[in-house]
Amino acid sequence: GAVVSQHPSRVICKSGTSVKIECRSLDFQATTMFWYRQFPKQSLMLMATSNEGSKATYEQGVEKDKFLINHASLTLSTLTVTSAHPEDSSFYICSARDVDLGDTQHFGDGTRLSIL
Amino acid sequence: GESVGLHLPTLSVQEGDNSIINCAYSNSASDYFIWYKQESGKGPQFIIDIRSNMDKRQGQRVTVLLNKTVKHLSLQIAATQPGDSAVYFCAEAYSGNTPLVFGKGTRLSVIA
Repeated sequence: GAVVSQHPSRVICKSGTSVKIECRSLDFQATTMFWYRQFPKQSLMLMATSNEGSKATYEQGVEKDKFLINHASLTLSTLTVTSAHPEDSSFYICSARDVDLGDTQHFGDGTRLSIL
Repeated sequence: GESVGLHLPTLSVQEGDNSIINCAYSNSASDYFIWYKQESGKGPQFIIDIRSNMDKRQGQRVTVLLNKTVKHLSLQIAATQPGDSAVYFCAEAYSGNTPLVFGKGTRLSVIA
């Protein structure tokens, strides 16, 4: 149980394109999901906390107008990178917490975003 | 504060030996700690967790030790196997529903 699915797994697109990444909890409901970014050989950096039915909470230094988060249902959160540029190229990972299974956060397999 | 790694420390062990991976956490108020394993191109995979009211917890081939006095966490892997090769991250949180803060990560390489 507690599977988190991310789609797409890899995106390559031109500079200026907007890219949407989906994060789904497949077999549980998640009122809270988290979005992380990971650069090569580095740790995961929290970008924002996605709350179902309300606005996301962004970490300091993360532009909310650039990284749009929508958490419209208990099983889906989306991250849209607007007008992406090469410096946005990274590995984006989401996680979700199954409230019925304690505090463990389960992670998706990430989305590799490459902006040309 | 949080720990962000610019370089990943590497631990090389012989197959069959025990591995010990260490982590220093930053927030003395953290009360929930987790170890994750991350293979190349994948998301972190939960290994084991521990709460601050415990100092040791065992799983299958893995043991987590918590020393709150010096804010230190360790992961012990018994009889390390080639499939254990990955990057291991510790993470801390204050209560389970707050975001996780990840440590630097350690790359474990198992020599067959």
